[in-house]
Amino acid sequence: DADVTQTPRNRITKTGKRIMLECSQTKGHDRMYWYRQDPGLGLRLIYYSFDVKDINKGEISDGYSVSRQAQAKFSLSLESAIPNQTALYFCATSDLASDDTQYFGPGTRLTVL
Amino acid sequence: AQKVTQAQTEISVVEKEDVTLDCVYETRDTTYYLFWYKQPPSGELVFLIRRNSFDEQNEISGRYSWNFQKSTSSFNFTITASQVVDSAVYFCALSRRADSWGKLQFGAGTQVVVTP
Repeated sequence: DADVTQTPRNRITKTGKRIMLECSQTKGHDRMYWYRQDPGLGLRLIYYSFDVKDINKGEISDGYSVSRQAQAKFSLSLESAIPNQTALYFCATSDLASDDTQYFGPGTRLTVL
Repeated sequence: AQKVTQAQTEISVVEKEDVTLDCVYETRDTTYYLFWYKQPPSGELVFLIRRNSFDEQNEISGRYSWNFQKSTSSFNFTITASQVVDSAVYFCALSRRADSWGKLQFGAGTQVVVTP
């Protein structure tokens, strides 16, 4: 089984809808991250969480919110989706106690019509 | 502010040719890590290597090798004797101790196309 899982893997939604992307990990890592990938721009950090009680904005947090429900779960929400949020979304985890290398989930492809 | 530049958008090679991917970074920090990730057509991101800013030793792993030069702020990646399975997008990234290591700054990526 994959160490970092994301659900759903693909989602098509309409402008104005609320949508939640979920990330779960079995790696036992304390740190979790959400990134979005757009063609030609690489990956950009949306939010990150160093532990359950610590949540921080990344480079492009506007229009997004997150929830760290447990050490193993980190959800990303789009309260009112818009077309320019169409992208590939990745969750990642890392463990500061080891080498803090980030390991990524399989990604969620989101299309907002 | 830190920045990672991968100037090569796409590189096309024929199988068995060597290919070198350039990565240039900017940071005022003295303590940082540099990374390479691979994104094959299936879409997942695969970690390849992490390099500490204090360790300029080059590294070789099979057909992969990395050249880290602080003097030119570069961390280049070479695939020797390329294979079709090497076709992917490759990302260079940077993290800093000043950010508690938590933020990865990615380059835009380089698409490598290996044809038989």
